[in-house]
Amino acid sequence: DIQMTQSPSSLSASVGDRVTITCRASQGIRNDLGWYQQKPGKAPKRLIYAASSLRSGVPSRFSGSGSGTEFTLTISSLQPEDFATYYCLQHNIYPATFGQGTKLEIK
Amino acid sequence: QVQLVESGGGVVQPGSSLRLSCAASGFTFSNYDMHWVRQAPGKGLEWVTIIAHDGNNKYYADSVKGRFTISRDNSKNTLYLQMNSLRPEDTAVYYCARITSLGDDYWGQGTLVTVSS
Repeated sequence: DIQMTQSPSSLSASVGDRVTITCRASQGIRNDLGWYQQKPGKAPKRLIYAASSLRSGVPSRFSGSGSGTEFTLTISSLQPEDFATYYCLQHNIYPATFGQGTKLEIK
Repeated sequence: QVQLVESGGGVVQPGSSLRLSCAASGFTFSNYDMHWVRQAPGKGLEWVTIIAHDGNNKYYADSVKGRFTISRDNSKNTLYLQMNSLRPEDTAVYYCARITSLGDDYWGQGTLVTVSS
């Protein structure tokens, strides 16, 4: 099975900061990776698909990059509504696997 | 609009069985592969299983293989998850989801399964 190692597990940042979250795959997964945002008590919402494509309606401050084994999610200027938990999901090879999550908290 | 509504959750004893359902609407259900994803209380997301659009291919997480069975009834626009030999570690909110490689994905609101004696 493919392991997804996500880092950091938590991150404290301020409004306006630029933050980057990383997922590393244990083997190459092409660009079959999505980034999800989850707020407490809510279902996850995908922000980025195919590693770097922005979902319709998602603010352009979110961006994704990478291919193969290393992927990043960048938020260029944090807004108050961005404080949440973020996950990556690989679906190149089944079983699909999520990263462990990154909890983004207000500094 | 796309809607996914899970049902069937509840409190059960270890070793027992439960069947979850997910009613889909707002799209052509038979065209899409469908997933179940779960989240234990206070924990991260765990992918559970996928079924192909025609029901012919299925994959499972190692943690549920041999105990859980995914199925679908395209005539009823409904996805199922049969869960047998339930364990306390299966306690979680279970989401059904339409996750595609491209474009928008859709998730239900989730249904809570609690396995406890």
